Amino acid sequence: KQEVTQIPAALSVPEGENLVLNCSFTDSAIYNLQWFRQDPGKGLTSLLLIQSSQREQTSGRLNASLDKSSGRSTLYIAASQPGDSATYLCAVLNSGNTPLVFGKGTRLSVIA
Amino acid sequence: DTEVTQTPKHLVMGMTNKKSLKCEQHMGHRAMYWYKQKAKKPPELMFVYSYEKLSINESVPSRFSPECPNSSLLNLHLHALQPEDSALYLCASSQDRARWDTGELFFGEGSRLTVL
Repeated sequence: KQEVTQIPAALSVPEGENLVLNCSFTDSAIYNLQWFRQDPGKGLTSLLLIQSSQREQTSGRLNASLDKSSGRSTLYIAASQPGDSATYLCAVLNSGNTPLVFGKGTRLSVIA
Repeated sequence: DTEVTQTPKHLVMGMTNKKSLKCEQHMGHRAMYWYKQKAKKPPELMFVYSYEKLSINESVPSRFSPECPNSSLLNLHLHALQPEDSALYLCASSQDRARWDTGELFFGEGSRLTVL
């Protein structure tokens, strides 16, 4: 059974810092991995999707990497801003008729 | 248009009421999902529809009844709910569940349900 772990659970950084959020998964036979952002009381916004055959994806200040063999993904946020404050969720999709498995998220606070 | 629209945004209901949550997407997606999310927890899958047929039911109590009238619409009918059912209900869609699909999920903003 796939399990997804996110470390740290919470993170507080000053504005301007570069930071890394970590996601690990137990079953490396994944179809894709998706990073989401969630603001309090809101829905999930898809940030980056990495297919199993890819190593990384970039969008603006965000870069996500995937190492299937070690069961790890990282989300790198460059030059963090207060507007980046949110919960970041990692989710893994395995092949077959299996549902998306979420980590518990990392709550990020960027202090001005 | 990568939008999934959910209505209502907020719903307050008594334990004897019958209400429905609605979800709509116009991206041509053929898979639609209902998730339940409690505070400070990740979303929990409830139901998956694929090509308008129920594909996954994660042992959800029968007081929650999903319906997929067509490929763009997904409803969640609520009846005789309990206070512990109060949560954010999220709808999502993806292109397909076949291997050629990227598998990317798009979520709506959610419906905040309070059961009194």
